[in-house]
Amino acid sequence: KQEVTQIPAALSVPEGENLVLNCSFTDSAIYNLQWFRQDPGKGLTSLLLIQSSQREQTSGRLNASLDKSSGRSTLYIAASQPGDSATYLCAVTGTSYGKLTFGQGTILTVHP
Amino acid sequence: DAGITQSPRHKVTETGTPVTLRCHQTENHRYMYWYRQDPGHGLRLIHYSYGVKDTDKGEVSDGYSVSRSKTEDFLLTLESATSSQTSVYFCAISELGVSWTDTQYFGPGTRLTVL
Repeated sequence: KQEVTQIPAALSVPEGENLVLNCSFTDSAIYNLQWFRQDPGKGLTSLLLIQSSQREQTSGRLNASLDKSSGRSTLYIAASQPGDSATYLCAVTGTSYGKLTFGQGTILTVHP
Repeated sequence: DAGITQSPRHKVTETGTPVTLRCHQTENHRYMYWYRQDPGHGLRLIHYSYGVKDTDKGEVSDGYSVSRSKTEDFLLTLESATSSQTSVYFCAISELGVSWTDTQYFGPGTRLTVL
């Protein structure tokens, strides 16, 4: 059974700092890995999707990497802003029909 | 934003009563999913659908049933609600391409409390 772990569970940083969120998964047989953002009381917003054949994806200040063989992904956020404060969730698709297995998330707080 | 709505957004019910949650999409996506989100467990898949009248179980399907009679609607029914089903329920949709590579779009969620 696939298990996804995210470290740290919570992170508090000052504005402007670069930061890294970590995600690990136990079964390397995945189709893709996705990073989502969730604001309090809201649904999930997709940030980045990395296919199993790719090593990284970038969107603005966000960069996600994938090392499938070691079962690891990182989400790098450059020049953090208070508006980046949210819960960040990592999820993998390892079976058919796009079913996602989620980590429990990292709660990020960026203070001015 | 993807056109996904969930209804109701909030519901309080009593143990033993049936409850139906609705997910409605305007994107004409083939795949639809129901997840529940709980502290300490994250999001877990309950049921999913890969077409009209085509559904299957996810990780935590006991006590839940689903139906999809139209592309745009996916219903989740708690046959006899229990306190352990108190949770936030999210619907998601996807139009999967080759190798299941498309992203999923999530609805705003339904907060269900079972007393």
